[in-house]
Amino acid sequence: DVKVTQSSRYLVKRTGEKVFLECVQDMDHENMFWYRQDPGLGLRLIYFSYDVKMKEKGDIPEGYSVSREKKERFSLILESASTNQTSMYLCASGLRGTNEKLFFGSGTQLSVL
Amino acid sequence: AQTVTQSQPEMSVQEAETVTLSCTYDTSESDYYLFWYKQPPSRQMILVIRQEAYKQQNATENRFSVNFQKAAKSFSLKISDSQLGDAAMYFCAYSRETSGSRLTFGEGTQLTVNP
Repeated sequence: DVKVTQSSRYLVKRTGEKVFLECVQDMDHENMFWYRQDPGLGLRLIYFSYDVKMKEKGDIPEGYSVSREKKERFSLILESASTNQTSMYLCASGLRGTNEKLFFGSGTQLSVL
Repeated sequence: AQTVTQSQPEMSVQEAETVTLSCTYDTSESDYYLFWYKQPPSRQMILVIRQEAYKQQNATENRFSVNFQKAAKSFSLKISDSQLGDAAMYFCAYSRETSGSRLTFGEGTQLTVNP
């Protein structure tokens, strides 16, 4: 069965900490995405990547960066966590050049105190 | 920029009844894809149904069907014979034909199914 795995289901961090959210997919997908989900706002795209070492800004990239050193792994980095980054973070992957469905991880609920 | 709007934050339905969730979108593209995703309490997003804009025929998947009105930019989801397991957050999403599966999501509709 295909799988997108996010390293943590729940995470609590302090303001100013550097935070890493890891995502690994086992489907050899080229495309990977990071979304954040907030009540009443739906899912909003932070960053995405269509290939190794490639990254593109999404709709709300401020305060975030990403890393894709290997095809299967896409990391989201909060350089200096702030309370307004408390949210649910969802990783997804999909095949290049298609508009077939995305496969999602189960999300990381991040609380920044 | 493309936008997707779900005007119903919450909906409820009796078990075995039918419910329709609304979605409108805004785009200047002629070719695109529309999706409904379901997110149960487990948080695992599941694709419910997918519609290609160039197809006039409405997509169906078992108890789930859509009413796709391209001119009106409307894409509603009908769930027939609702079951307790249908209770979830439902998201409408849009993707441009060339975007390589980059999705723009609506705000979501929380569906409650009453026994």
